[in-house]
Amino acid sequence: SQELEQSPQSLIVQEGKNLTINCTSSKTLYGLYWYKQKYGEGLIFLMMLQKGGEEKSHEKITAKLDEKKQQSSLHITASQPSHAGIYLCGADPLRRAGSYQLTFGKGTKLSVIP
Amino acid sequence: DAGVIQSPRHEVTEMGQEVTLRCKPISGHDYLFWYRQTMMRGLELLIYFNNNVPIDDSGMPEDRFSAKMPNASFSTLKIQPSEPRDSAVYFCASSNGQGAGKNIQYFGAGTRLSVL
Repeated sequence: SQELEQSPQSLIVQEGKNLTINCTSSKTLYGLYWYKQKYGEGLIFLMMLQKGGEEKSHEKITAKLDEKKQQSSLHITASQPSHAGIYLCGADPLRRAGSYQLTFGKGTKLSVIP
Repeated sequence: DAGVIQSPRHEVTEMGQEVTLRCKPISGHDYLFWYRQTMMRGLELLIYFNNNVPIDDSGMPEDRFSAKMPNASFSTLKIQPSEPRDSAVYFCASSNGQGAGKNIQYFGAGTRLSVL
């Protein structure tokens, strides 16, 4: 089965600093999804990457997919307290017609100190 | 749209009692997923439905767990009898199986279950 390993497990940064979170897959990635979770709340969809080399940005968050490395990275520029939370990556473990499952990493807990 | 709605938000029960968690997916979504989240194991898929039909229940931990989807707008996850190790946050998610964003799952706020 496909496993997703996220690093680091937790991260504390000063407001205004840049940071990167990585998600590495044990198998070939066929699409990678990034979600954010705040304590006591559900997961909020951030971005979906479907092709190798694809890069997407939303506000100050940029995600990239490196198919060869079986890895995705999430980069936050000039972090703000509103960026604090748990970031999870998810991937389709089966990639077959009609499969809509996602398997998730255990998450990276981000704290931003004002 | 109101998003995925789960109830209750919190549930505290005693070991051996029956617990029923409820979920209303986003209108028009044809896939519904139940997940369990714990510190140790992270987010685990329990079961998912397509057009109200269970497709994969291999993640359901034991026979004590059952899930139903009687119609397109309602699903339940039942634990009977409950045990302390079932304590976790249970999430429901739904997705639209068509279009460019067909695999994007939208999550409810979760039900935090504590079994004493």
